[in-house]
Amino acid sequence: DVKVTQSSRYLVKRTGEKVFLECVQDMDHENMFWYRQDPGLGLRLIYFSYDVKMKEKGDIPEGYSVSREKKERFSLILESASTNQTSMYLCASSSYRNTGELFFGEGSRLTVL
Amino acid sequence: AQSVTQPDIHITVSEGASLELRCNYSYGATPYLFWYVQSPGQGLQLLLKYFSGDTLVQGIKGFEAEFKRSQSSFNLRKPSVHWSDAAEYFCAVGEQGSQGNLIFGKGTKLSVKP
Repeated sequence: DVKVTQSSRYLVKRTGEKVFLECVQDMDHENMFWYRQDPGLGLRLIYFSYDVKMKEKGDIPEGYSVSREKKERFSLILESASTNQTSMYLCASSSYRNTGELFFGEGSRLTVL
Repeated sequence: AQSVTQPDIHITVSEGASLELRCNYSYGATPYLFWYVQSPGQGLQLLLKYFSGDTLVQGIKGFEAEFKRSQSSFNLRKPSVHWSDAAEYFCAVGEQGSQGNLIFGKGTKLSVKP
């Protein structure tokens, strides 16, 4: 069964802390994505990557960075967490062969105090 | 600019009743269209997709959607709703070659009355 795994389902951090959200996919997909989901706002794209060591900004990249050192792993980094980054974070992957279908992880709910 | 509109934020239907969730898109070329479902506390799961061909597409869990180019719509339907269908539903649009860089609507939350 194909899978996108997000390492932490729930995290609680303090303002100013550095936060790492990890995502691993086992489908050998080329493309990986980080979305943020907030009530009433739907899904907003933070960053995406089409290949190892490549990254592209999405719609709301401010305050975030990403790392893709291996094909299967895509990390989202909050350099200095703030309370307005409290949210649900969703990782997804896709293959260029799959005409854009996204496969999602179960999400990481981050609370910043 | 590309956009997706789901006009209904929240819909409540009775179990066994029919369901239609609306989705309108704004897109220059022929879009790739998707419906995803999200159960509480979970990630999104693909229900169905349209790329080309027959404008009525069948998906999982008894859902179907119809692409109407003239109305820029891709509405999701189900003839008889089950309590387990209570979830949030997202419509999304992409373009050929977008490789998953989709634009999502803001979602419609479905509640099911017994």
